Parts: sequence; structure tokens; C-alpha cells
Amino acid sequence: LAKTTQPISMDSYEGQEVNITCSHNNIATNDYITWYQQFPSQGPRFIIQGYKTKVTNEVASLFIPADRKSSTLSLPRVSLSDTAVYYCLVGGNTGGFKTIFGAGTRLFVKA
Amino acid sequence: DADVTQTPRNRITKTGKRIMLECSQTKGHDRMYWYRQDPGLGLRLIYYSFDVKDINKGEISDGYSVSRQAQAKFSLSLESAIPNQTALYFCATSAPRGTRADTQYFGPGTRLTVL
Repeated sequence: LAKTTQPISMDSYEGQEVNITCSHNNIATNDYITWYQQFPSQGPRFIIQGYKTKVTNEVASLFIPADRKSSTLSLPRVSLSDTAVYYCLVGGNTGGFKTIFGAGTRLFVKA
Repeated sequence: DADVTQTPRNRITKTGKRIMLECSQTKGHDRMYWYRQDPGLGLRLIYYSFDVKDINKGEISDGYSVSRQAQAKFSLSLESAIPNQTALYFCATSAPRGTRADTQYFGPGTRLTVL
């Protein structure tokens, strides 16, 4: 299983860009990188997924360097409502189910 | 996600009691999961099922059992509840996407307290 390492917590202010980096040194060739967001007392919600380079959607961007040993979730111009826990997952559908949620990064956005 | 429902939403029970948590989905997904979340921690996988006849243990299956009654229903049972099973329980579903990792869709959670 590819283990992921993320900062336990981060603080930011409204309007700032937030970058959360995840390390996954043992990522396998067929693994994808997926990020989820979780608000208190709710289930996680999919944000973005990528395999390499850069992926962007209406919510976030995901940057993956060529060696794929890390990835960075970028949230542009955060608001108070972006306060949540963000999980980085590594896995795919090759070689059996192996997607594991770690402890995540608790982001706190201040006014 | 309203397409994934869990019952009950809250439950208080006593040590030694048998309890069942139920999950239903209208997304038409073959894959279903049960997770447990303790305060301040991430989610830990209890069991997962990739179709009606498939049941697999996750990281922490001891003390739990599951039943996949139909494509849309996946139940989690605690045969004899103990206090350290007090937690927030989530059900999730997904559909395979080739080699890509599935997108999992989560229910609202069941808060279980074992006294």
C-alpha cells in the first residue's frame, strides 16, 4: 500500500490561495491521486483526481511532478466555508482495492 | 450525498447488544463500503463489497460483520457492541472506472454510542 503523508493542520485567511502537499514516495505505476474534502459530521466529498502533471476543475487544481512522489492540492481564494479536512488518497483499480484514507489535513480559514 | 442513505442517523446502545446499521443507495453502483471514523482521525475501512456475492475485510473488521442483501443495500452488524466501537460510521458507494481510482460517494453517517 502506498502510504501518504500530509500536514496535520494549516491555517489561512479568506481570499488567500492555499496549497496542501501530500507525500507518497511508494506510489505504484498504476496508482491515481485523489483528494477528498470533509466537513464536520458529514461524509467526505470528492474534489479532484489526477495521474500526472496538472489537473484543474471548478473547485481546485492538482499539481503532480514528474516523479509522482508528491502532489499539491491548490485551493484558490479560500473562503470561510473551505474550512474542512482534506484527504489525499493514492490507489486505483489495478492489483486489487487498496485505497486508504489517512488522517488528512485540517484547514482552518480565518476572516 | 442524498442518493446514499443510512439508518439510523443516531443510535445509543448498551454493551453486549447486537446492533445493525443499514445503508441504501439509488446510484446503481455495484461497490459499497463501510468506514469508521473516530474523533480527530481519518476514516478506517471495515468491510467492502464489489458486488452482491463479494464481501471483503478491510483494515478493522474484527467485531463487525456485513450483509449485502441486494445491489442497493449493505448492512453492518455489531454482534456484541463494546464501548470502543463508539464512533461515526459511514457507508459509501462507487462504480469502477477502468484503471482509475473510483470516486466514492458517502452517506450522511451514523453516530453510534455504546454505553
